[in-house]
Amino acid sequence: QKEVEQNSGPLSVPEGAIASLNCTYSDRGSQSFFWYRQYSGKSPELIMSIYSNGDKEDGRFTAQLNKASQYVSLLIRDSQPSDSATYLCARMPGGSYIPTFGRGTSLIVHP
Amino acid sequence: DAGVTQSPTHLIKTRGQQVTLRCSPISGHKSVSWYQQVLGQGPQFIFQYYEKEERGRGNFPDRFSARQFPNYSSELNVNALLLGDSALYLCASSSPRTPQETQYFGPGTRLLVL
Repeated sequence: QKEVEQNSGPLSVPEGAIASLNCTYSDRGSQSFFWYRQYSGKSPELIMSIYSNGDKEDGRFTAQLNKASQYVSLLIRDSQPSDSATYLCARMPGGSYIPTFGRGTSLIVHP
Repeated sequence: DAGVTQSPTHLIKTRGQQVTLRCSPISGHKSVSWYQQVLGQGPQFIFQYYEKEERGRGNFPDRFSARQFPNYSSELNVNALLLGDSALYLCASSSPRTPQETQYFGPGTRLLVL
């Protein structure tokens, strides 16, 4: 089993809707998670990180970590066509400085 | 402040050749990591250097090597290129001062091996 699993998508949502992107993981140890956005042909850009159970909000983005169920989510409120990209989830175990990336979920926001 | 920079942006090589990719980290960052990303996949970890010492190595053949210089810039070398080495090569820098040592990526070098 891969360390970080993401549905490759594409996930298609209408403009203005909430996009929900999910990532599951297999290790129950201490760890941090990162969400990156990657436009086609570009490099990943950091959206936010989370390491505590619960929600963390930054503008239109909310990261949710549920350690009991071993998943981390990214919610994008009021989705815009400019949010259309691939979203990468990364996991960094405690004591490690090397994140492991999922394959990414493609998001399409249509007008 | 300038972000992570990489050079060149694009490169075309033929099988069997050697290539050197360069990366300069964000000012103040002492750690540099290299990743390979092929189409449809997430970045795959190749190397990480911190304070000029190798801190981690991914599952890549010995044809891949790297080093970090006193100014914390880094080079990734790939020898005896194969068609399968065609990918986007990403460099990321980080610092113990940033939360969870978050990694920030450069623009990448797109390598095509013919």
